[in-house]
Amino acid sequence: DAKTTQPTSMDCAEGRAANLPCNHSTISGNEYVYWYRQIHSQGPQYIIHGLKNNETNEMASLIITEDRKSSTLILPHATLRDTAVYYCIVRLAGGGGADGLTFGKGTHLIIQP
Amino acid sequence: EAEVAQSPRYKITEKSQAVAFWCDPISGHATLYWYRQILGQGPELLVQFQDESVVDDSQLPKDRFSAERLKGVDSTLKIQPAELGDSAMYLCASSMRLAETQYFGPGTRLLVL
Repeated sequence: DAKTTQPTSMDCAEGRAANLPCNHSTISGNEYVYWYRQIHSQGPQYIIHGLKNNETNEMASLIITEDRKSSTLILPHATLRDTAVYYCIVRLAGGGGADGLTFGKGTHLIIQP
Repeated sequence: EAEVAQSPRYKITEKSQAVAFWCDPISGHATLYWYRQILGQGPELLVQFQDESVVDDSQLPKDRFSAERLKGVDSTLKIQPAELGDSAMYLCASSMRLAETQYFGPGTRLLVL
């Protein structure tokens, strides 16, 4: 079972910031938070990941609370092409064995024109 | 930008027939994953390879599914015989090494009639 909880769906107006929450209250100290998105009929696309510090790249920002029990993915200026299902995933930081991703149902983000 | 390649993109087959999917990971990526995604759900891991060795195939239905990565580069996933319930998107992903970020291909959509 997925170790994360996300809202089923969210709406956001085009041009505004989209803030997608994720709860991972049972996360352990050696687990990363990863975000992927999946546009209809395509493969999942990697967005960003973090361990405990906030992270930013050209696609998004990831804000992780100090207790690491929740995080928020921020798309700063949403466009219609950001309409997709967004998955928040917790995975071990260390290697050495099976490390397949465990996906939940994600959040269906709909950007409104 | 390097991408994971998959073929075919779409496949229609009749139940009890054999079907095969091919994946070419990003060059230099040692770890390769096959996932299955049923409509409306998140992807689920079927099998994970490290080079040519299987790391995890605990969720692979071995009575009908097989996977190989003979030279540690590209990989083939086979279903024989196909059943109606196998209709799904089959996704391939690769990472540089264990516990690194996974990058997904476009997927193969299978319809079993």
